[in-house]
Amino acid sequence: DAGITQSPRHKVTETGTPVTLRCHQTENHRYMYWYRQDPGHGLRLIHYSYGVKDTDKGEVSDGYSVSRSKTEDFLLTLESATSSQTSVYFCAIRKDSLTEAFFGQGTRLTVV
Amino acid sequence: GENVEQHPSTLSVQEGDSAVIKCTYSDSASNYFPWYKQELGKRPQLIIDIRSNVGEKKDQRIAVTLNKTAKHFSLHITETQPEDSAVYFCAATSNTGGFKTIFGAGTRLFVKA
Repeated sequence: DAGITQSPRHKVTETGTPVTLRCHQTENHRYMYWYRQDPGHGLRLIHYSYGVKDTDKGEVSDGYSVSRSKTEDFLLTLESATSSQTSVYFCAIRKDSLTEAFFGQGTRLTVV
Repeated sequence: GENVEQHPSTLSVQEGDSAVIKCTYSDSASNYFPWYKQELGKRPQLIIDIRSNVGEKKDQRIAVTLNKTAKHFSLHITETQPEDSAVYFCAATSNTGGFKTIFGAGTRLFVKA
């Protein structure tokens, strides 16, 4: 499993509530990523991190924030969840730029 | 912004035939091009990758080609088998900043027995 764990695996939440997803790694990899996966859109990058407290926006960052206070944890927060954020969220880690990214198991989020 | 286009979105082949998936990318700083396979309900997993200083790479029935000038790269699967049925994603990684990886929209491959 490349030492990467996402939690929770499933969540149902109401519109307007805050939600935080957690990605935890035991590999001490520098780079971490959050993607969302929707039918017809593939995997779209939300935010990524290249070190503790170093983060940047991806393709679809509106409505999302992230934090990385420790190497092993990368948190994705939906400040006020909307139905359009219903999706499967994947975290990924990589050691460096020319190596593969390993994905977590995914979190299925439903906003009702 | 950076973009990766992938075609076709759906591909159906007979067992034993070849399958080809094509991608184009826009970011000239891209230097690493992985391909992932995702089975239903599972996470994407790497099947092959290629770096920008290489034009072609092969691993058993799978090969990838890269044309940096045209910003094209392709996945070739020969002698397809039913277990090759899955969604395949191409991706391009930039060598700047956080080495972000942008994915194509995916190709759903059906291999008919």
